[in-house]
Amino acid sequence: DVKVTQSSRYLVKRTGEKVFLECVQDMDHENMFWYRQDPGLGLRLIYFSYDVKMKEKGDIPEGYSVSREKKERFSLILESASTNQTSMYLCASSLNLGTGELFFGEGSRLTVL
Amino acid sequence: DAKTTQPNSMESNEEEPVHLPCNHSTISGTDYIHWYRQLPSQGPEYVIHGLTSNVNNRMASLAIAEDRKSSTLILHRATLRDAAVYYCILRTSGTYKYIFGTGTRLKVLA
Repeated sequence: DVKVTQSSRYLVKRTGEKVFLECVQDMDHENMFWYRQDPGLGLRLIYFSYDVKMKEKGDIPEGYSVSREKKERFSLILESASTNQTSMYLCASSLNLGTGELFFGEGSRLTVL
Repeated sequence: DAKTTQPNSMESNEEEPVHLPCNHSTISGTDYIHWYRQLPSQGPEYVIHGLTSNVNNRMASLAIAEDRKSSTLILHRATLRDAAVYYCILRTSGTYKYIFGTGTRLKVLA
C-alpha cells in the first residue's frame, strides 16, 4: 500500500522559532508537494519538487523554504515561525505529471503562539 | 488559472445515490478534471479523474458534460463512510498545478 508519512501530526511552536516539517514517501515518486490548508481557503501550494534538489515555488512560498536531498524525503522549513503560519500542512507525492494522482499524508497541524 | 465552483454542502440519505456537481466554465482543452475527498482528520484521497469521457471506478463515476464546462461525481450508494469534503480540481496535463477550491461537504444521514 502506498504511503506518505508526515513526521508530526501536531506541533506547537513559539513565534520566531525555526520549524521543520518532514515528509517521507515509499513509492519512489518523482514529485513531492507541500500544501497548507486553511478554513475557507482550501489547499494552497507552497512548494513543489520534481527531483532531488529541484524545487519550484508554488502560490504562497513567502516565509517558507524546502529541502529535498533524497528522493523519498521532502522537508518544509519555517525559518522564523509567525502566528499567521498556524495552519494544517499537507505533504503529497505523485509518480509523474501524466496521470497525476496525488497521494497525501495525514497532515501536520502547526500552532504558532 | 481555470477555477471550479461547487456547492458548500450537500446532504444525502444512506444507501441512496449522490450527485455532486462542479462547474468549471473556464476549463481549457488540456485540463484534466480530478476529484478528491477528505475524510475527517485525514489528508485528501484520490477518487477519480477524467478528460472528456465519462469514467467509472470502484469508488465512483464521473460524468463530464459535452462542452466540459461542468462535471458530476456520482456515488452510487452513499454510506456513512462517504461523509467527507469532496474537491473538484482542474489540472493542466504535464504540469504540477492542481487548483483546489473549497469543496463540498457531504453529510450522509442514517
